[in-house]
Amino acid sequence: KQEVTQIPAALSVPEGENLVLNCSFTDSAIYNLQWFRQDPGKGLTSLLLIQSSQREQTSGRLNASLDKSSGRSTLYIAASQPGDSATYLCAVCGGETSGSRLTFGEGTQLTVNP
Amino acid sequence: DGGITQSPKYLFRKEGQNVTLSCEQNLNHDAMYWYRQDPGQGLRLIYYSQIVNDFQKGDIAEGYSVSREKKESFPLTVTSAQKNPTAFYLCASGELPQETQYFGPGTRLLVL
Repeated sequence: KQEVTQIPAALSVPEGENLVLNCSFTDSAIYNLQWFRQDPGKGLTSLLLIQSSQREQTSGRLNASLDKSSGRSTLYIAASQPGDSATYLCAVCGGETSGSRLTFGEGTQLTVNP
Repeated sequence: DGGITQSPKYLFRKEGQNVTLSCEQNLNHDAMYWYRQDPGQGLRLIYYSQIVNDFQKGDIAEGYSVSREKKESFPLTVTSAQKNPTAFYLCASGELPQETQYFGPGTRLLVL
């Protein structure tokens, strides 16, 4: 069964700092990996999707990498801002017993202090 | 204005009562999904549907039921058999199973 782990569970940084969020998964037979953002009491917003054949994706100050063989992904946020404060969720699509369903990690709660 | 809508935003359930959460999408997506989120946890899949009139159980389907009579609608019923229904419920849709999913704003269900 696919399992997804995110480290750290919570992170507090001063404004302007570059930071890295980590995601690991147990079954490397995935179709893709997605990073989502969730604000308190809200739905999820898709940030980046990396197909299994890709190594990284970039959108503005966000860069996500994927190392499928080692079961790891990182989300890099450059020059963090207070508006980046939210919970970031990693989800993998696929795995031998998961088919095309998404399996989510528990998230990293990020606080960026002004 | 395309997107996914969920209603109501808050829902209160009494003991022994069935309640239905609404999810509608105008993105013309084939696939739709229901997730449950508990505090401090990730999302767990309840049910999903890849085509009208067909749906499959997810990881935590017990105590829930769904229907998919129209492409744009995927309502979730929380039955009295679900003994711990208090949670945040999220609906999502996607063009293909392997493509990104788009999420609604969620419904928070509370038990009176």
